Amino acid sequence: QLVLTQSPSASASLGASVKLTCTLSSGHSNYAIAWHQQQPEKGPRYLMKLNSDGSHSKGDGIPDRFSGSSSGAERYLTISSLQSEDEADYYCQTWGTGIRVFGGGTKLTVL
Amino acid sequence: EVQLVESGGGLVQPGGSLRLSCAASGFTVSNNYMTWVRQAPGKGLEWVSLIYSGGTTYYADSVKGRFTISRDNSKNTLFLQMNSLRAEDTALYYCARETNPHVMDVWGQGTTVTVSS
Repeated sequence: QLVLTQSPSASASLGASVKLTCTLSSGHSNYAIAWHQQQPEKGPRYLMKLNSDGSHSKGDGIPDRFSGSSSGAERYLTISSLQSEDEADYYCQTWGTGIRVFGGGTKLTVL
Repeated sequence: EVQLVESGGGLVQPGGSLRLSCAASGFTVSNNYMTWVRQAPGKGLEWVSLIYSGGTTYYADSVKGRFTISRDNSKNTLFLQMNSLRAEDTALYYCARETNPHVMDVWGQGTTVTVSS
């Protein structure tokens, strides 16, 4: 079964960096994912597509502070030089034929 | 500008029906995969339904047999017909375009569905 697992919460200080993790279920370690950001009271916003080899393509207007990387079944979103507007929920998402799957989301708090 | 605007949400009694619309601009709905995603109050994102550019449709198990996704190419609009609604269908419903492929790269602002007596 295709499942994505995320830690429920993370926190980091203003100006620091944070690395969020999304883990693919067993047997799906070669899957690509997408990262989405949802700021409070807003709809989701596409950040990037992240492949199993760590290559990624970002959405329009996504700052260079956002980057992605991969290791095995883990997919990472790194946000550097944290700003207050980065405080949001972050969701990973993947796909199969006729199915789309979201992780449970990570709530990022910027201290 | 590429944009999606949902409408049609509202308050409905259990067992009732609603039809959600998602009007697209800046691109052609029928040339893309399109998807519906919902978010229950205080919860995460849940995939609901998907329509391929060729017209094949798919549904989450939680809505299979009750919801129908469709599109009107002349209106460049995506729809979600929701029947036999339950309290657990209460959520903010988003439509999204897929590209790149399979990546939800454009999202609407959502429309709220409340199922309650």
